[in-house]
Amino acid sequence: KQEVTQIPAALSVPEGENLVLNCSFTDSAIYNLQWFRQDPGKGLTSLLLIQSSQREQTSGRLNASLDKSSGRSTLYIAASQPGDSATYLCAVKRGSTLGRLYFGRGTQLTVWP
Amino acid sequence: DGGITQSPKYLFRKEGQNVTLSCEQNLNHDAMYWYRQDPGQGLRLIYYSQIVNDFQKGDIAEGYSVSREKKESFPLTVTSAQKNPTAFYLCASSPSGGELFFGEGSRLTVL
Repeated sequence: KQEVTQIPAALSVPEGENLVLNCSFTDSAIYNLQWFRQDPGKGLTSLLLIQSSQREQTSGRLNASLDKSSGRSTLYIAASQPGDSATYLCAVKRGSTLGRLYFGRGTQLTVWP
Repeated sequence: DGGITQSPKYLFRKEGQNVTLSCEQNLNHDAMYWYRQDPGQGLRLIYYSQIVNDFQKGDIAEGYSVSREKKESFPLTVTSAQKNPTAFYLCASSPSGGELFFGEGSRLTVL
């Protein structure tokens, strides 16, 4: 069974800092990895999808990297803003198009002005 | 606009009642999923369906039932057999092997 761990569980930073959120997984036979954002009481919003053959994906101030061999992904947020405050979750899809996803418990990020 | 619609957003149920949560998508996605989210527990998979008229149990299927009669619809019934149904329920869909998209969720409270 795939285990997904996110560290830290919570993070509080001042506005403007660059920060890194970590995601680790136990089984390297993944199909893809996806990062999500969740605001309180809302559904999840997809941020970035990295296929197993890719090393990184970028969208605006977000950059996600994937190292399958070490079972790790990082989400880098540049120049953080208060609007970035949310819970960030990563999910790993097992080794085929029909594989199910396994979620981490998330990192709760607070960016203060 | 394309997306996933969950209804109702809030639902109250008396003990012993069955309730059905609706999930509709107009993204033409093959796969649909139901997750349950509890504080401190993360997302747990209830049921998923890769194709019409077929679905599989997830990690916590007991006390729940689903159907997939149409590609765009995947309703979830919370039965009276579910011992602790108060939770936030999330529906999601994806193209085969592709990016997962979520609805806004339904919050069920048992009185």
